[in-house]
Amino acid sequence: GENVEQHPSTLSVQEGDSAVIKCTYSDSASNYFPWYKQELGKGPQLIIDIRSNVGEKKDQRIAVTLNKTAKHFSLHITETQPEDSAVYFCAASSAPLYEKLTFGTGTRLTIIP
Amino acid sequence: DTGVSQDPRHKITKRGQNVTFRCDPISEHNRLYWYRQTLGQGPEFLTYFQNEAQLEKSRLLSDRFSAERPKGSFSTLEIQRTEQGDSAMYLCASSSQKGARGHLNEQFFGPGTRLTVL
Repeated sequence: GENVEQHPSTLSVQEGDSAVIKCTYSDSASNYFPWYKQELGKGPQLIIDIRSNVGEKKDQRIAVTLNKTAKHFSLHITETQPEDSAVYFCAASSAPLYEKLTFGTGTRLTIIP
Repeated sequence: DTGVSQDPRHKITKRGQNVTFRCDPISEHNRLYWYRQTLGQGPEFLTYFQNEAQLEKSRLLSDRFSAERPKGSFSTLEIQRTEQGDSAMYLCASSSQKGARGHLNEQFFGPGTRLTVL
């Protein structure tokens, strides 16, 4: 089955700086890669996703890049703000059952004011 | 719509007891998922329903676990003869066949039920 590794496990950045979280996956058949943000006491919430036919996707301050050859993908957050503090999870899945997400172990991001 | 709701939010039980959790998905979402999340880990897929049909079960779902979605709306997850290793956060999520915001499969998660087995 799929195995997703995520680094770092914790990350602290100064407000306004950029944060990068990296994930690798093992199953070359995986072709859908969402990122979820989980705040304390809440369930994860989708923030951005990318399919394997796209190398990069951006949504305001958040971007995701995908390298299929190396089987890794990354989340980039620019101009970080205190409300970005949370735990971030990467995930992977493949057709036909895109519904079965395999999550990474999470990164606790702390924005220092 | 208020999102996915789960009940109870917390459950403390003694080893060997049975517990049942309920999940109410976002209305008109035909897909419903159960995940388990232990401390410091990401959610682990347990099972998935499309309408009332259970289409996929993880190997994590032992014989002591059973999930139902009898009318294709709310779902229940029952754990029989609980063990200390069952202590975890149980998350429910739902999605529609076509993502509302154009995402392939945006799963909307509930706040979870935290189970503690003593």
